[in-house]
Amino acid sequence: QSVLTQPPSVSGAPGQRVTISCTGSSSNFGAGFHVHWYQQLPGTAPKLLIYGNTNRPSGVPDRFSGSKSGTSASLAISGLQAEDEADYYCQSYDTSLSAYVFGTGTEVTVL
Amino acid sequence: EVQLVESGGGLVQPGGALRLSCTASGFTLSDYWMHWVRQAPGKGLVWVSRITNDGTGATYADSVKGRFTISRDDAKNALYLQLNSLRVEDTATYYCTRRPSFCGSDCPTGDYWGQGTLVTVSS
Repeated sequence: QSVLTQPPSVSGAPGQRVTISCTGSSSNFGAGFHVHWYQQLPGTAPKLLIYGNTNRPSGVPDRFSGSKSGTSASLAISGLQAEDEADYYCQSYDTSLSAYVFGTGTEVTVL
Repeated sequence: EVQLVESGGGLVQPGGALRLSCTASGFTLSDYWMHWVRQAPGKGLVWVSRITNDGTGATYADSVKGRFTISRDDAKNALYLQLNSLRVEDTATYYCTRRPSFCGSDCPTGDYWGQGTLVTVSS
């Protein structure tokens, strides 16, 4: 049972903007730990999309952006494209568990 | 080019053991902390274990503590995960990941991931 909660699915038409929420608690985001985001295309390994709340690794399009406030975080995808259909996971560290934790995952569908 | 290649997965009976390997190339393994992350079929990502670059700091998820052991052999460019007392619920694809060096003390579990190796625990 994950300590980071995400909506099971979100969808949008091509070109639209979608956001994925990630709700944590005082033992992870509230304790000051960063949120990181991964994209997992069907049948492949996850890929790092956002690190340190807002930073994009080299090669990640600027259509992807991240934010964090208090005990919640979010990932935004603007100008949605068919290739963005994937599962997205948030990740942080939890001091109560002394463990790295992932969110429950969100499936993005492009209509 | 950074590459991580896992091996050693397979079918094992409950209570059995396996040793997973992860062969690294394209970077100096001894400079990096490494993680194992698993994913049960059709389910989400779950962190399993982490080892520091000098091998002195190993941590585990509660679900595997006392049964799994992470280790490394930098001379062989290899990371390992020994899985003992396996349970049906350990069935998953196991990924090795490299903790990035560009993020200070609060880092994601991986900037590079292997393709994964499937462990199936069943009688």
